[in-house]
Amino acid sequence: AQKITQTQPGMFVQEKEAVTLDCTYDTSDQSYGLFWYKQPSSGEMIFLIYQGSYDEQNATEGRYSLNFQKARKSANLVISASQLGDSAMYFCAMRESRSNDYKLSFGAGTTVTVRA
Amino acid sequence: SAVISQKPSRDICQRGTSLTIQCQVDSQVTMMFWYRQQPGQSLTLIATANQGSEATYESGFVIDKFPISRPNLTFSTLTVSNMSPEDSSIYLCSVAEGRGVTEAFFGQGTRLTVV
Repeated sequence: AQKITQTQPGMFVQEKEAVTLDCTYDTSDQSYGLFWYKQPSSGEMIFLIYQGSYDEQNATEGRYSLNFQKARKSANLVISASQLGDSAMYFCAMRESRSNDYKLSFGAGTTVTVRA
Repeated sequence: SAVISQKPSRDICQRGTSLTIQCQVDSQVTMMFWYRQQPGQSLTLIATANQGSEATYESGFVIDKFPISRPNLTFSTLTVSNMSPEDSSIYLCSVAEGRGVTEAFFGQGTRLTVV
């Protein structure tokens, strides 16, 4: 079964507007971590933000915030005040703690295109 | 945060040949991983590189095709052997540092094209 589901293959957003990227996950672990990455056309994977399953506050990093709804198993990324440089592929990933091996499971990704 | 240098950044190789990709980290790290990203796809874990012992491979990946070395806590190599066009992908190394990992970093990736 898919552990990470990203249902939006692609999204367009106007410059300076906010955009929400959806991510749902499936795990039976009580302790887990959720990650978001940005992958521009160059191919590198840029770490954006992390949310731990026990964190009571939603994570924020600059213009990135994570809307964590544990009961719904949802970890949506919100990018505020979009910039042209935000155009990229975005991946949601999860690390489960059961095996204690720190490997990540990735979603299919969402392509974001920011329009001027 | 760890700084990861991955080489080469890209290569075009003939089928039937092998390519070795290097991953160098600027600090000692507990865990190192190798991922593959086929064109238009998400990342798939190939294996966990274990220091001083054989790598742990995921289902669908075998040591003969993807031999991995990890001689110390800052360096690892992935070899893609006997390449075919289906091996054309981005290969990425990743590191995790210690317990309670809240960050996981990637190298710049190696964009491989097999012709």
